[in-house]
Amino acid sequence: DAKTTQPNSMESNEEEPVHLPCNHSTISGTDYIHWYRQLPSQGPEYVIHGLTSNVNNRMASLAIAEDRKSSTLILHRATLRDAAVYYCILRFTGTASKLTFGTGTRLQVTL
Amino acid sequence: DTEVTQTPKHLVMGMTNKKSLKCEQHMGHRAMYWYKQKAKKPPELMFVYSYEKLSINESVPSRFSPECPNSSLLNLHLHALQPEDSALYLCASSQGSQSSYNEQFFGPGTRLTVL
Repeated sequence: DAKTTQPNSMESNEEEPVHLPCNHSTISGTDYIHWYRQLPSQGPEYVIHGLTSNVNNRMASLAIAEDRKSSTLILHRATLRDAAVYYCILRFTGTASKLTFGTGTRLQVTL
Repeated sequence: DTEVTQTPKHLVMGMTNKKSLKCEQHMGHRAMYWYKQKAKKPPELMFVYSYEKLSINESVPSRFSPECPNSSLLNLHLHALQPEDSALYLCASSQGSQSSYNEQFFGPGTRLTVL
């Protein structure tokens, strides 16, 4: 199974942009890149997903490298409520029902 | 209604007890999931139900017994658990299980303590 690598933790100041990196050098051509986050004492929450092109939604943007070996989740203005563990996950065609979580990045947001 | 509800929120049980965790969704989703999350670890998939049939069992011990009585409900029956089974049990649902892009909606979890 293709794996993802993320930094263990990152810090950001409130109202600053945050770029959360993810490496997935063994990604297959049909693997979707998903991001979920888990706020303290809550279940994970879907953030965004993409295949090849950059994606935007109301929560974040996803920038995917041209060779698809890495991606970056962008929070445009971090707030204290964005403090969470962010998981970058590859979803494989054929075993699509699986969400295999890696260790994720713990984002701390300070005033 | 985009909510997955789980009951109870907390459960403490002895090793000889039988208990059940309950999960409910009213989004018309046809795939439902159980995950287990130990403290400071990522969630791990246990079971997947697709159209009320068990489609994936991630080699979970038989002391955990899932059940999907209808498309809105998912139960996890617990019997003869061990203290190391103490964890947060998360339920999730999605429109289907075979698509690579369907997002999963998670409930808040049941925090289980086995004494």
